[in-house]
Amino acid sequence: GNSVTQMEGPVTLSEEAFLTINCTYTATGYPSLFWYVQYPGEGLQLLLKATKADDKGSNKGFEATYRKETTSFHLEKGSVQVSDSAVYFCAALGVGGGSQGNLIFGKGTKLSVKP
Amino acid sequence: NAGVTQTPKFQVLKTGQSMTLQCAQDMNHEYMSWYRQDPGMGLRLIHYSVGAGITDQGEVPNGYNVSRSTTEDFPLRLLSAAPSQTSVYFCASSYSGGQGYTFGSGTRLTVV
Repeated sequence: GNSVTQMEGPVTLSEEAFLTINCTYTATGYPSLFWYVQYPGEGLQLLLKATKADDKGSNKGFEATYRKETTSFHLEKGSVQVSDSAVYFCAALGVGGGSQGNLIFGKGTKLSVKP
Repeated sequence: NAGVTQTPKFQVLKTGQSMTLQCAQDMNHEYMSWYRQDPGMGLRLIHYSVGAGITDQGEVPNGYNVSRSTTEDFPLRLLSAAPSQTSVYFCASSYSGGQGYTFGSGTRLTVV
């Protein structure tokens, strides 16, 4: 079935450090891929997305490239800020079966950025 | 636009009680879903709907009911609350799925 695996946290970085959060998916076909961010006490917000292979999603300095060959969608940012501290979720849009049209989430990665 | 509105924000129930979590969206989205978020588990799909009058089960549907009588509303009913249903519940909606979902701010439910 469809599944999403992302690196476990927590991840602690100093301000201005480089960030990578790994995400891989297992699916039938090539699903749309997403990164969501959840700030403390809030709901999930769409951070970026990619709908087909080699697409690059970007927003607020974050980037992720849809790699069909490695079934990956790693999240990167060149210089993190304290305000980026949050939980990040990788998700794939279900393809086929009971997950059709719904998001399948990884377990989330908590990022803490220290001044 | 208000987006996706969930009520209540917090709720404490006793074991065996029933209640309805409300979800409404004003974006004319056909797709609506309910998720629960538990520590270390990510978000798991409870029930979903692809349009008014159409609902289906997700990954963890037991103990929950849904209905979709209008495009705007998608309430989640807990039939007989159990401590295992202590969680944060999120409602989400989407025009077609492929552009991503918009999430509500969540309902934190505690069952004692």
